[in-house]
Amino acid sequence: AQSVTQPDIHITVSEGASLELRCNYSYGATPYLFWYVQSPGQGLQLLLKYFSGDTLVQGIKGFEAEFKRSQSSFNLRKPSVHWSDAAEYFCAVRRAAGNKLTFGGGTRVLVKP
Amino acid sequence: NAGVMQNPRHLVRRRGQEARLRCSPMKGHSHVYWYRQLPEEGLKFMVYLQKENIIDESGMPKERFSAEFPKEGPSILRIQQVVRGDSAAYFCASSPARPEAFFGQGTRLTVV
Repeated sequence: AQSVTQPDIHITVSEGASLELRCNYSYGATPYLFWYVQSPGQGLQLLLKYFSGDTLVQGIKGFEAEFKRSQSSFNLRKPSVHWSDAAEYFCAVRRAAGNKLTFGGGTRVLVKP
Repeated sequence: NAGVMQNPRHLVRRRGQEARLRCSPMKGHSHVYWYRQLPEEGLKFMVYLQKENIIDESGMPKERFSAEFPKEGPSILRIQQVVRGDSAAYFCASSPARPEAFFGQGTRLTVV
């Protein structure tokens, strides 16, 4: 069965600093990969996705993620965080032939002034 | 094009009552998924439906939970005889034939 691990439960970062959120997955083949963001009390918004091709993926809100097959990782990055980036971030995977998403446990990002 | 609409946003039920959660997918989307998010946890898949068919219900509890997606109208997630442990946020997502899914705002169920 596929699984997703987000090793960092909480991350605190200063506004303007860079951010990197880790995501590792366990699956026999390359799945489809996603990052979602959830603001408090809200639903999930898709930040970016990887299906195939270029391993560096650009998303919304200045986020990017890099797929590394050798490390089974899909880490999310942002060069300079804004206070509005404070939220919970979820990595998710889906089998190419499947339909359901498997989510990591999430990483809560706090942004300090 | 309106997004995925879920209602109600908040639902309070007493133990033993029934909870009915509704989800209207985005226009043109024929695939609906339900996920549950327990406090301080990630989302867990519950069920995947297409119009009038349950495709995958491997994440649904065996008792008290049911889901439908009729030919007309929204998808419904029904929880009978709710217990405190059912308190969670329930998210619906929809997708067209493409692999990405779009999520609603969720229904936050509180069982008192």
